[in-house]
Amino acid sequence: GESVGLHLPTLSVQEGDNSIINCAYSNSASDYFIWYKQESGKGPQFIIDIRSNMDKRQGQRVTVLLNKTVKHLSLQIAATQPGDSAVYFCAENLHLTGNQFYFGTGTSLTVIP
Amino acid sequence: DGGITQSPKYLFRKEGQNVTLSCEQNLNHDAMYWYRQDPGQGLRLIYYSQIVNDFQKGDIAEGYSVSREKKESFPLTVTSAQKNPTAFYLCASSIDGNRRANTIYFGEGSWLTVV
Repeated sequence: GESVGLHLPTLSVQEGDNSIINCAYSNSASDYFIWYKQESGKGPQFIIDIRSNMDKRQGQRVTVLLNKTVKHLSLQIAATQPGDSAVYFCAENLHLTGNQFYFGTGTSLTVIP
Repeated sequence: DGGITQSPKYLFRKEGQNVTLSCEQNLNHDAMYWYRQDPGQGLRLIYYSQIVNDFQKGDIAEGYSVSREKKESFPLTVTSAQKNPTAFYLCASSIDGNRRANTIYFGEGSWLTVV
């Protein structure tokens, strides 16, 4: 999972396996969450989002799960491919702060061919 | 293509110099943002603007300045007062920055190095 610090958590998976990346968010009043993918030297790309009135949302090969009880968010990537290798981080938005987000430090995913 | 364009991609600054990073978006978004990214840390908000001719300081605004004279443009100036400017800078935008949260989209970033 993500944490504050100088070293990113890492995850290595075999090509074709499923990946699960975790994020512990900080504020129980946060009500909107986004997962981003960031390749080396590039800007973050939006992957999927979820609002707090849902506990699961699916996209193409990706699923986000939200557990508000323990303030935990996860991103599941099905049939992981080499092109999925990147840093993944979550962002939380605190209700009523407008569009100000708090970003996690990220998890580095490496897909082994 | 619609998107957010940052320039330059790489910039070198001498001690005591001010430099300006450009950010242009053609998404017709009202809100624009500047973030700083350092290794091993989450993105930190420098400045944001919810509408033309208005902007607000973020968490680490000291040593930076911005302007928002046009909806599509939000340049960031890194002044000599910023003591540790070497970082990856990300510009972002969203449809609306004022009401219920909505997705933030990012540009490709600019690397600034002090030499």
